[in-house]
Amino acid sequence: GQNIDQPTEMTATEGAIVQINCTYQTSGFNGLFWYQQHAGEAPTFLSYNVLDGLEEKGRFSSFLSRSKGYSYLLLKELQMKDSASYLCAWAGGSYIPTFGRGTSLIVHP
Amino acid sequence: DAGITQSPRHKVTETGTPVTLRCHQTENHRYMYWYRQDPGHGLRLIHYSYGVKDTDKGEVSDGYSVSRSKTEDFLLTLESATSSQTSVYFCATKEEIGTDTQYFGPGTRLTVL
Repeated sequence: GQNIDQPTEMTATEGAIVQINCTYQTSGFNGLFWYQQHAGEAPTFLSYNVLDGLEEKGRFSSFLSRSKGYSYLLLKELQMKDSASYLCAWAGGSYIPTFGRGTSLIVHP
Repeated sequence: DAGITQSPRHKVTETGTPVTLRCHQTENHRYMYWYRQDPGHGLRLIHYSYGVKDTDKGEVSDGYSVSRSKTEDFLLTLESATSSQTSVYFCATKEEIGTDTQYFGPGTRLTVL
């Protein structure tokens, strides 16, 4: 497979910053997706990185290092509504995302 | 959203019965996908379609078949349901192959007794 690895669960405090890491197989890589999924709902797109560096979208940022096979999702000013699963997905030549198992983020007051 | 609906949203069936799940989209997206999501496994690709009558297998295609006779509809069939196919099934669409965003439907929760 694509050896996508991300932590199973993380906890953080409201208002804080959290970084969710994802490592993946570098061979055949064509892009890295991040999705958010609230319990009982469908995944929703957050970001897509194909070049190295940091991309910022409001409170959420995503970073990619292609040579290291590493990405992270950075969530700032955490809110209770950010409690969700965050899915890292690798895209190869077909551009079809292959998903990791997801990181369950719990934000507490 | 890409106007994706799935039907039924919930279904309980018995082992050995055939089941068909429907995905309908209103955005004229070329690519459509069926995933299943299980605890501890994440989302896994079952089948996908890259156009009308053009489909291909994904990672976990055994026991499933698909059909796409119209751009807007992508059907997933379990010919003879087994308990291991109890899962949440998500349909997704994508406008073109290189487009970054994949849109997901609301999901179908299937229980096979």
